[in-house]
Amino acid sequence: GQNIDQPTEMTATEGAIVQINCTYQTSGFNGLFWYQQHAGEAPTFLSYNVLDGLEEKGRFSSFLSRSKGYSYLLLKELQMKDSASYLCAAATGAGSYQLTFGKGTKLSVIP
Amino acid sequence: NAGVTQTPKFQVLKTGQSMTLQCAQDMNHEYMSWYRQDPGMGLRLIHYSVGAGITDQGEVPNGYNVSRSTTEDFPLRLLSAAPSQTSVYFCASTQGVGEADTQYFGPGTRLTVL
Repeated sequence: GQNIDQPTEMTATEGAIVQINCTYQTSGFNGLFWYQQHAGEAPTFLSYNVLDGLEEKGRFSSFLSRSKGYSYLLLKELQMKDSASYLCAAATGAGSYQLTFGKGTKLSVIP
Repeated sequence: NAGVTQTPKFQVLKTGQSMTLQCAQDMNHEYMSWYRQDPGMGLRLIHYSVGAGITDQGEVPNGYNVSRSTTEDFPLRLLSAAPSQTSVYFCASTQGVGEADTQYFGPGTRLTVL
């Protein structure tokens, strides 16, 4: 079976740093994606990890440990527009067209 | 490029009615997928296609049919709508594997079955 866990909700202050954790147990694994989804909109790609380690993209970083089945998304210098749901997804089939998603973490950024 | 387009944006059906959700992409992507998103459930894969003429089932395929006659189009058919199919449906496409081939999502179709 496939199981991906992430916190349901988080709150952080504008300008701060927040870390969203994701743990996964899947029967297949070809990489870990993070998506951002604003309310009423489609998910948009943030980051991808397939090897252990940290990937940095501007204010966003993502980390993967395959041996621990663990990933996190780090958001720095939080802005109000970062208020959204963050979706952790594992590529569990042959490619990125077969994603198993976690339930998403709703992040609220407060002034 | 328009990317991934979906029609309609909103739809209300009565139980037992049938309909087709349309999805098209203009990026020449080989792979296309349909997901549904329900509150508290996350996105779940319904069906996917690895190329024209080739489709396969995802996690929650029951009650849905798909076909892929062209690279561009991947319609999702509800044969006999049920209230349990009330959801937001997203179509996605990708070229393949890895970061450069991340899935691009359409804007979604919000379906209500009464």
